[in-house]
Amino acid sequence: DTEVTQTPKHLVMGMTNKKSLKCEQHMGHRAMYWYKQKAKKPPELMFVYSYEKLSINESVPSRFSPECPNSSLLNLHLHALQPEDSALYLCASSQSLGPGGYYNEQFFGPGTRLTVL
Amino acid sequence: QKEVEQNSGPLSVPEGAIASLNCTYSDRGSQSFFWYRQYSGKSPELIMSIYSNGDKEDGRFTAQLNKASQYVSLLIRDSQPSDSATYLCASSGSGNTGKLIFGQGTTLQVKP
Repeated sequence: DTEVTQTPKHLVMGMTNKKSLKCEQHMGHRAMYWYKQKAKKPPELMFVYSYEKLSINESVPSRFSPECPNSSLLNLHLHALQPEDSALYLCASSQSLGPGGYYNEQFFGPGTRLTVL
Repeated sequence: QKEVEQNSGPLSVPEGAIASLNCTYSDRGSQSFFWYRQYSGKSPELIMSIYSNGDKEDGRFTAQLNKASQYVSLLIRDSQPSDSATYLCASSGSGNTGKLIFGQGTTLQVKP
């Protein structure tokens, strides 16, 4: 059983809507990640949080806004999305960003399947 | 551009055979390597991690790492139809950024 949970499982939204994706991990990890995955492609990193601070933003458009309220929770706020943003959004967590080895093992949640109409 | 390369497949093996999945990486300073299994429509599941040269075995799975050749492999013994999935190879690269560099994935089909 995964210890990273994500809600909702599915989300359909219009281009003018505002919605949020939520992620929670129960492993005491201090690094959390948002990925976007299109069909038949590997996950594509969007954001990295380390100790509740944004560490990496992979030049993601501002219509995606991440938030880390505490060490267990990660949100992704969505606004004015485009149809090409439809994808599986994955949250992951790891012990930390370093010093390597098992600290970097990332565990994924089940994902949110997003459809933008 | 740091890369991880995999043959996209599909790799087809009969039930009970050994499936061999391969991966090469370009960043010689890469420290940690991971194999994820992803069923269609599901999220990636971590099945093996390897950090030092040699073999690491876990049940029917064996990961192999050769840093001199910049090569990682995953062997699945006694393949089962339930092993049919896409297998993603990932490297942590040489910095402690948390970024994983994924290969494109290899699709494995195990035929009964």
